[in-house]
Amino acid sequence: GQNIDQPTEMTATEGAIVQINCTYQTSGFNGLFWYQQHAGEAPTFLSYNVLDGLEEKGRFSSFLSRSKGYSYLLLKELQMKDSASYLCAANNAGNMLTFGGGTRLMVKP
Amino acid sequence: NAGVTQTPKFRVLKTGQSMTLLCAQDMNHEYMYWYRQDPGMGLRLIHYSVGEGTTAKGEVPDGYNVSRLKKQNFLLGLESAAPSQTSVYFCASSYDTLTTASSYNSPLHFGNGTRLTVT
Repeated sequence: GQNIDQPTEMTATEGAIVQINCTYQTSGFNGLFWYQQHAGEAPTFLSYNVLDGLEEKGRFSSFLSRSKGYSYLLLKELQMKDSASYLCAANNAGNMLTFGGGTRLMVKP
Repeated sequence: NAGVTQTPKFRVLKTGQSMTLLCAQDMNHEYMYWYRQDPGMGLRLIHYSVGEGTTAKGEVPDGYNVSRLKKQNFLLGLESAAPSQTSVYFCASSYDTLTTASSYNSPLHFGNGTRLTVT
């Protein structure tokens, strides 16, 4: 079966750094995606990891450890517009994505 | 370039009524998907298609049917709506064979969603 776990909510301060964790259990793992979803809008693609290590894209970085079934999304220099839900999704055999429930991030001034 | 377009944006149905949700993409993507999103449960895959004329069941297919008669369109049907189908429905597409290395690392492009209420 597939199982993706991530915290339901997090709060952080503008300008700070926040790390959103995701653990997964899937069969035939083929990579992990992070998506951002603002309230009432569609999810948009942030990052993809298939090999162990850190992928950096500007203020956002994503890390993967395949042996531990663990990933995190790191957001630096937080801005108010980063308030959104962040969805972790694992790609298994057959190119099927299993999504976690999402982490709602609230950025406060 | 419109991306992924879903219609309608909102709909209210009475129990037992039927409807079809329309999804169109102009990115020449091979794969198309229908998800539902419910509070606290994340996105769950209803049905998907890996190419024109093909469909397959996802995680929660019961009560829904789909068709992919043309590559750019993916239709989701509810034959007899139930209150449990009240949700936000997202269509998505992925994997352009000409520009993407593989289907595994091709990100999903989502439509703006359809909010369906069944009373």
